[in-house]
Order: sequence, then C-alpha cells, then structure tokens
Amino acid sequence: KNEVEQSPQNLTAQEGEFITINCSYSVGISALHWLQQHPGGGIVSLFMLSSGKKKHGRLIATINIQEKHSSLHITASHPRDSAVYICAVQTSGSRLTFGEGTQLTVNP
Amino acid sequence: DAGVIQSPRHEVTEMGQEVTLRCKPISGHDYLFWYRQTMMRGLELLIYFNNNVPIDDSGMPEDRFSAKMPNASFSTLKIQPSEPRDSAVYFCASSQVRDSQYNEQFFGPGTRLTVL
Repeated sequence: KNEVEQSPQNLTAQEGEFITINCSYSVGISALHWLQQHPGGGIVSLFMLSSGKKKHGRLIATINIQEKHSSLHITASHPRDSAVYICAVQTSGSRLTFGEGTQLTVNP
Repeated sequence: DAGVIQSPRHEVTEMGQEVTLRCKPISGHDYLFWYRQTMMRGLELLIYFNNNVPIDDSGMPEDRFSAKMPNASFSTLKIQPSEPRDSAVYFCASSQVRDSQYNEQFFGPGTRLTVL
C-alpha cells in the first residue's frame, strides 16, 4: 500500500461543477502539499497546510490530521483547471512523498 | 526573480554517456530538491540540500547518480553511465525556511532526459 493514496485517479467534469479530490496518507506528517501539474509539464505549488483549511480564489484545501485525510475542492470549475493534481506529504525534514495524481478534465 | 532555472530543457543521449543536469534555485532559498518523474513511478525525491549540504540522498537510485551543490546558486545532477531506464523528467525545486517554518516549494520547468 502506498503511503499516499489519491482518489479518484481520473475525473471528468462539466464547466461550473464543484470538484473534490481526496488524499489519504498512512504516515506521520509535518505538512501536506497540493500541487498542480499543467498539461505542458510545469508544476506549481497550490497549498501547503498542516491543519484546518486554506482558500485561494476558487480553490479550497482542508486537512484532518486525526483521520490522515485531505481534500482539494475547486468551485465553479473551468476548462483551464484541467491538469493533474498531486498530493504530497512532508515527513522527515523536508522530504516529500507523492501520490499518483488525479487527472482532471473540465469540459466546456 | 526568474524562478528556478534548469538546463538543458531537453537532453537526448546514448546509453553509456555521461549526463549533467543543472539547476539554479531562487535567490535566498536555502533548500534545493532534485526529483524524477516517470510514468511508472510518478514523482520521486532523489536528494535534497540545505545550505548547500546534502541532507537526504536516500532516493538516489544507485552509484551512477551523483549530485553536488558547490554554492547557494548552483546544483548539478550527474548520471554516469546513463541507461535507458534513466529516461524521465528531472525537476529541481527550491524553498526557504522562515521563522522556523517550512514553506512551499517552487519547481523549475524540468529537464526531459531520453537515453537511447
């Protein structure tokens, strides 16, 4: 079993839909990261959180440390949100362990 | 700031050749990371440095891989000799610690390596 599990692996939505991507982990962590990888391959950090909830524009990330679970929500989804979303947990020091990613496609 | 800079962006080489990938982190960042991404294994941490010192190299696949950070503004990842299974996208990232808190990592555009 991987230390970081994401679901779903693939997600197709219509523009405007509310989207949720889930991440579960099995190890103790100091922080959890959500990353976005564009179709061209570039990786951007969306959130880094160790408790509670963070919001940036239409993106919201939550984490429940007791349940070892995090969610990434996208409100009013748009085709430009189409990308791979990757959950990563920060364990010892600055080491990151990555989930396999969720391929999101938002259709107009 | 220009962000994290990697070179080359693409590298095609033949098996057995030496390959050197280069990275310039964001100025002022004290952490530098090297990652590898493949279809089979996804993103993996190879090694990371703090203040130019290697901290965790447990992800380096084998002795053919080596990484150095001679100063705060430059790092190299070298593969010698290269093998077809080393074909992947190699990312460099940097971050900084402020007020004893880790912060987000900024990724470079990656180097796509193909070993024939």
